[in-house]
Amino acid sequence: QKEVEQNSGPLSVPEGAIASLNCTYSDRVSQSFFWYRQYSGKSPELIMSIYSNGDKEDGRFTAQLNKASQYVSLLIRDSQPSDSATYLCAVNDYDYKLSFGAGTTVTVRA
Amino acid sequence: KAGVTQTPRYLIKTRGQQVTLSCSPISGHRSVSWYQQTPGQGLQFLFEYFSETQRNKGNFPGRFSGRQFSNSRSEMNVSTLELGDSALYLCASSLVGAGLTDTQYFGPGTRLTVL
Repeated sequence: QKEVEQNSGPLSVPEGAIASLNCTYSDRVSQSFFWYRQYSGKSPELIMSIYSNGDKEDGRFTAQLNKASQYVSLLIRDSQPSDSATYLCAVNDYDYKLSFGAGTTVTVRA
Repeated sequence: KAGVTQTPRYLIKTRGQQVTLSCSPISGHRSVSWYQQTPGQGLQFLFEYFSETQRNKGNFPGRFSGRQFSNSRSEMNVSTLELGDSALYLCASSLVGAGLTDTQYFGPGTRLTVL
């Protein structure tokens, strides 16, 4: 059974700070990694995808992947109240499905 | 380009009934996946379809079934509803459902309540 673990949270950060979200996965063959954001009562929306070791930046978001450590993270810089949501880590390993972590709820304090 | 659409958005059923949910993928997407989301279990994979063929199935009882049509639209059916089936049912579409860069995009979901 493939497992995806996320830091349990909830995570509370002041506005303007960096929010750091972590995710580990159990299956070494996993190749594609995704971060989705889910607002309360809404469906998940894609924030970032990452496939290669290293960092990938998109605006205020940076995803980091370390396949040797089976670790993927998401940094949210200059956090805004609109970033308050649950962040889901997802892993795709070629069996036509995504495995999701339980999610980390982030609250940005104004 | 229109996103993934799901109908209906909300459903209330009673135990023992059956329900059919519908999903229309993003134009050009041929893979459709279904997920169940509950507060206790999180997002759980139900099944995935591509070209009318089920390629993977999650660990759910046989009461949960699905199908895909030639236009890539998909339906899922839950028979003999139980209270525990109350959940948000999410459909996601992607181009081919496989490959390094294939990305799943979610629809708004169908909120099913079983009384």
